[in-house]
Amino acid sequence: DTGVSQDPRHKITKRGQNVTFRCDPISEHNRLYWYRQTLGQGPEFLTYFQNEAQLEKSRLLSDRFSAERPKGSFSTLEIQRTEQGDSAMYLCASSLAQVRDTEAFFGQGTRLTVV
Amino acid sequence: AQKITQTQPGMFVQEKEAVTLDCTYDTSDQSYGLFWYKQPSSGEMIFLIYQGSYDEQNATEGRYSLNFQKARKSANLVISASQLGDSAMYFCAMREPNTGFQKLVFGTGTRLLVSP
Repeated sequence: DTGVSQDPRHKITKRGQNVTFRCDPISEHNRLYWYRQTLGQGPEFLTYFQNEAQLEKSRLLSDRFSAERPKGSFSTLEIQRTEQGDSAMYLCASSLAQVRDTEAFFGQGTRLTVV
Repeated sequence: AQKITQTQPGMFVQEKEAVTLDCTYDTSDQSYGLFWYKQPSSGEMIFLIYQGSYDEQNATEGRYSLNFQKARKSANLVISASQLGDSAMYFCAMREPNTGFQKLVFGTGTRLLVSP
C-alpha cells in the first residue's frame, strides 16, 4: 500500500450534474477525512469517519453533499446538483487512531471544475 | 475559534541556504497540536513536522525544524540547506482542541521558490 488513493484526479462537469469521488485510505487506517481546498486557500475540513461511522460534519457540507464509508474501508463523496462554487480540490486523508494521533496522510486530491 | 496566520505569500531562497516560514496561531486552549504540510504542484499534502503544545523541545525532522514560541503563539518552520525540490506551497495547521482526531485548521500558505 503506497498511500491514500483518490479517483478521479480531475473531473469537469456541467452545472446541475451529480458527481461522485472515491477515496481509498491506507489499509490499516481507521480514520478518514474529507477536506476541500479552493484556489489560494488552505484546505477546509468537511467531514470525518471513524471506521464506518460519520462522526463529524462541517457546516460547509450542505445537504447537496453526502459522504459514505461502507464497511469502514473506502469512502465516497457525492455532490448533487453541482454549482460553480463547488469548483475546488477535494482532498481525502486518513490516519490511525492511537494515543498520539499526530499525522494524517493525504491523497493527491480530485480537482473538480463546474462549468 | 482557532485561527492560523501565515503572513508571507511568497518566499525566495537560494539553494543550500536556510529559510524560515512564519506561522502564528490563535487559540484559548492549553492543549493543541501544530503541523506543517508541504503541497507540491501535484496537489497532495505531505506531512513535514508536528509540535504538541506540551512538548518541551522543538520538533525536528531531518532538514525541518519547528521554532515553537508558545508565549508568542508562533510556530515557524525552518528549512535548512534548501533544495530545488523544496519549491512548493507550505501550510501551517492546528488541530482543533479536544477533538482527538485530525480536524485541522489551515493557514493560507506560503509559496517557497528555491533558486539554483
